[in-house]
Amino acid sequence: NAGVTQTPKFQVLKTGQSMTLQCAQDMNHNSMYWYRQDPGMGLRLIYYSASEGTTDKGEVPNGYNVSRLNKREFSLRLESAAPSQTSVYFCASQGSPANTGELFFGEGSRLTVL
Amino acid sequence: QKEVEQNSGPLSVPEGAIASLNCTYSDRGSQSFFWYRQYSGKSPELIMSIYSNGDKEDGRFTAQLNKASQYVSLLIRDSQPSDSATYLCAVSGGSNYKLTFGKGTLLTVNP
Repeated sequence: NAGVTQTPKFQVLKTGQSMTLQCAQDMNHNSMYWYRQDPGMGLRLIYYSASEGTTDKGEVPNGYNVSRLNKREFSLRLESAAPSQTSVYFCASQGSPANTGELFFGEGSRLTVL
Repeated sequence: QKEVEQNSGPLSVPEGAIASLNCTYSDRGSQSFFWYRQYSGKSPELIMSIYSNGDKEDGRFTAQLNKASQYVSLLIRDSQPSDSATYLCAVSGGSNYKLTFGKGTLLTVNP
């Protein structure tokens, strides 16, 4: 049982380049999340998706876009990467019920923007 | 805007002692409360969840919730070096269901 799978695990970009972080879960969860984690800042929510076909902004959405392709997959796109987006990105899915369930995290994607 | 505050730490305790981690939250309507443990370079993992006032015990871990004071804590009894990690408090419910995380408290258990 893979749980939540993120790719890639590591990526180095130059300023202005674009990339997409992929996330897939095999637990049949409705809700999925993208967080970023920076030293001393904890986990900050970028975007979330309560169900297939819906997405909503979190605390720090600027510079990012998301796609909930289907129930399993939730991708995060950086259209024009900036050094401020250097971070560790975590995808998570949420067990039921939606407002009380545990978050299951992927292993994280370490992104460096030069 | 829901806010979750944790004692900033770092917290250092000797092996075998009780470690106490604290968290306060701003949204009085919050309904679900979680403690996650995160080892360096790893993803967070859930160790405790609590939904009603009082204490909840699971092995060496006890979560305490006081909704009137908007306070949740985690006690780790008989602390072990393997408990050394960052502990994240998370809250959901109330104005929205999204989990909001505190910034975490780094715990070091010294042998």
